[in-house]
Amino acid sequence: DIQMTQSPASLSASLGETVTIECRASEDIYNGLAWYQQKPGKSPQLLIYNANSLHTGVPSRFSGSGSGTQYSLKINSLQSEDVASYFCQQYYNYPLTFGSGTKLEIK
Amino acid sequence: EVKLQQSGDELVRPGASVKISCKASGYTFTNYAMYWVKQSPGQGLEWIGTIIPLIDTTSYNQKFKGKATLTADKSSNTAYMELSRLTSEDSAVYYCARARGTGVMDAWGQGASVTVSS
Repeated sequence: DIQMTQSPASLSASLGETVTIECRASEDIYNGLAWYQQKPGKSPQLLIYNANSLHTGVPSRFSGSGSGTQYSLKINSLQSEDVASYFCQQYYNYPLTFGSGTKLEIK
Repeated sequence: EVKLQQSGDELVRPGASVKISCKASGYTFTNYAMYWVKQSPGQGLEWIGTIIPLIDTTSYNQKFKGKATLTADKSSNTAYMELSRLTSEDSAVYYCARARGTGVMDAWGQGASVTVSS
């Protein structure tokens, strides 16, 4: 199975700041990576797929990048509604696997 | 509007089974696969398995083979997951999510909490 190592586990930032979340795969996943946002008490929602493609309706302050085994999610101009947990997921190979999540809070 | 409406929360006894439903609306049910995901505090998010309603084909995470059984009813646009021989390790929130088959889950149900307790 492909292991997804996500960091940091938690993050506190101020409104308007830029934050970056990292995800490392245990082997090359050839950009088969998605990012999800999960707000408290809600289900996960797709943000990014194919490592850098923005899902329909997702604000442009979210962006994804990376290749090979290293990927990142960047949130520009942090807003209060961005308080959530964020998960990466690889879909290059089965079984699908997820990162352990990053909990983002506002300082 | 795409919607996946799951059945309600369940409290079940150890050793029993539970069946969770996921009713799809707002899209053509047979054009997508349905994925099931477990979320528990200790294990995070885990992919359980996938069903392709169009051809009634399933695939499972090896970890959940024998634990989960996925079915789909094309006449009612509803997917089901049955969990058997429940233990405390099965207490979690279970989600259904649709995807094109690539594994990118672009719509999720609201989740169904299963609590296994005597």
